[in-house]
Amino acid sequence: QQQVKQSPQSLIVQKGGISIINCAYENTAFDYFPWYQQFPGKGPALLIAIRPDVSEKKEGRFTISFNKSAKQFSLHIMDSQPGDSATYFCAASSKTGANNLFFGTGTRLTVIP
Amino acid sequence: SQTIHQWPATLVQPVGSPLSLECTVEGTSNPNLYWYRQAAGRGLQLLFYSVGIGQISSEVPQNLSASRPQDRQFILSSKKLLLSDSGFYLCAWTLAGGTYEQYFGPGTRLTVT
Repeated sequence: QQQVKQSPQSLIVQKGGISIINCAYENTAFDYFPWYQQFPGKGPALLIAIRPDVSEKKEGRFTISFNKSAKQFSLHIMDSQPGDSATYFCAASSKTGANNLFFGTGTRLTVIP
Repeated sequence: SQTIHQWPATLVQPVGSPLSLECTVEGTSNPNLYWYRQAAGRGLQLLFYSVGIGQISSEVPQNLSASRPQDRQFILSSKKLLLSDSGFYLCAWTLAGGTYEQYFGPGTRLTVT
């Protein structure tokens, strides 16, 4: 069973537009929600992360919005650039176990110049 | 600062041959270590994780095994490769004892022919 559900599977955005990727989870024990960016042939790189005590976190053009009651969180990429074209993964983990991350299935973002 | 290394970067092996992939982490002690596999265009599948030397947990029964002979060394092995073992293998580490950032290595591209 997929612990973290991610949508859309692919996304095409014009340069300068806003890219929005959504994730949902069921396990209320999750207390850490990172987003990863992966370019072809490279390992995923940690982009931004949030904990459930805040509803939003912003780093540059990247913002995570977190809705604890709905058990949803999303990544917003403002002023999207062609260099942002990559696959994005959301994930979640809890203090139980070995800090294992449960990943979404990924979103392939293409930013058109 | 911490760094994570994986080698080899690419590998082409015939069916039935053995496999050994190595991962090492620098700049930290007693990390949690992880092996993931990523099929082409797909998400991340957790294969093994380790919370200490000699302590290995398997997430998916398969043709692979893992070992942790030293604190910052994690090895993925197989006695006889299958075609289905082809993929992008990623090692990752995180601090133990809570929910913390997980960092990935550069990956090993394995092609079984």
